[in-house]
Amino acid sequence: RKEVEQDPGPFNVPEGATVAFNCTYSNSASQSFFWYRQDCRKEPKLLMSVYSSGNEDGRFTAQLNRASQYISLLIRDSKLSDSATYLCVVNIDLLGSGNTGKLIFGQGTTLQVKP
Amino acid sequence: NAGVTQTPKFQVLKTGQSMTLQCAQDMNHNSMYWYRQDPGMGLRLIYYSASEGTTDKGEVPNGYNVSRLNKREFSLRLESAAPSQTSVYFCASILDSYNEQFFGPGTRLTVL
Repeated sequence: RKEVEQDPGPFNVPEGATVAFNCTYSNSASQSFFWYRQDCRKEPKLLMSVYSSGNEDGRFTAQLNRASQYISLLIRDSKLSDSATYLCVVNIDLLGSGNTGKLIFGQGTTLQVKP
Repeated sequence: NAGVTQTPKFQVLKTGQSMTLQCAQDMNHNSMYWYRQDPGMGLRLIYYSASEGTTDKGEVPNGYNVSRLNKREFSLRLESAAPSQTSVYFCASILDSYNEQFFGPGTRLTVL
């Protein structure tokens, strides 16, 4: 079983749609959680961190359920510019020091927003 | 700040050749990482360095070696390149476990 699993998609949605991505992780020692965005042939960039209480940044909402080891990303009112691959990322803090994180990436979920 | 820089951007090697991928960051980050990305496989960790002077294997270390030259620089070496090492290689750095990981622009390597 992969340490971080995502539905690879692709998700094809019309502009204005709401779309949700899910991610599960297997290591209960995971300390911090992120969603990254990767455009074609570019490096991944941080979209948002994910907190236990859930957090929102404009049209984007991230949720974390530690008990179920599950992370989600909700995108409302999709724009053409949201087309990209979204990577679920889990940080395993190996020594509990906050300094020795090992990031594990899901394989990514591809989103295509159509006019 | 330049962030994370990588050289070269593109490289073509023949099987058996060696090369070193260079990575540097100017953000005073403690930890640095090398990943490879292949279609359908996502990002896979090759090696990482939690701090200057330490390196550890990641998920796919075979065929690679690394050097954390100083706090700024973390290089990845292919001693004898194989076609299976054709990939896009990303270097990344992070201040600590709870902060954003910054990536370099990537090196596109083809081994013939």
